[in-house]
Amino acid sequence: ETGVTQTPRHLVMGMTNKKSLKCEQHLGHNAMYWYKQSAKKPLELMFVYSLEERVENNSVPSRFSPECPNSSHLFLHLHTLQPEDSALYLCASSYAVTGIINEQFFGPGTRLTVL
Amino acid sequence: GIQVEQSPPDLILQEGANSTLRCNFSDSVNNLQWFHQNPWGQLINLFYIPSGTKQNGRLSATTVATERYSLLYISSSQTTDSGVYFCAVLYNTDKLIFGTGTRLQVFP
Repeated sequence: ETGVTQTPRHLVMGMTNKKSLKCEQHLGHNAMYWYKQSAKKPLELMFVYSLEERVENNSVPSRFSPECPNSSHLFLHLHTLQPEDSALYLCASSYAVTGIINEQFFGPGTRLTVL
Repeated sequence: GIQVEQSPPDLILQEGANSTLRCNFSDSVNNLQWFHQNPWGQLINLFYIPSGTKQNGRLSATTVATERYSLLYISSSQTTDSGVYFCAVLYNTDKLIFGTGTRLQVFP
């Protein structure tokens, strides 16, 4: 247990579906992150929220929409995905001071399959 | 942008053997983390090590920031050590950039 939880752990969806991934951290951190891990590729940073404001959007397609209602919760809303979006989606959290992030802790991930 | 390279890409060991994994990075970094990703995808924090040496049981890590590399040592390996080991560097204060990983298989 890292103190970061993600639901669901597995998700299969069609290209026309809308679904959401949820992440919750119990570590008292103030920054949260979404990463994508595709087969044979390094982990890619998608979004960063620090103090509930989005500070990074790494050229991610608009079919991925993040939401951070408070410092403990992070969502990733998915719509009209493509099969190439199938991947492991990882959430992380850390403590950030004046933009400098400290050690990041990861959740167990959601394995997404798009049919 | 910064490049993070890990070697070797794959490593096969018999239980009880020792190993050294290397992480090279191409620019100055603010910090460095080592992770173990288990077969279920969970990333487990091993070390948060900007410089110097740290030890945790059978694992230890050394980072030489001035020479832009870090080493992870695994002694007396066990089958539960199998998985992928990632280093990740903190670049520009707010970006964690991951290496391509070392896949370790430990056989009984």
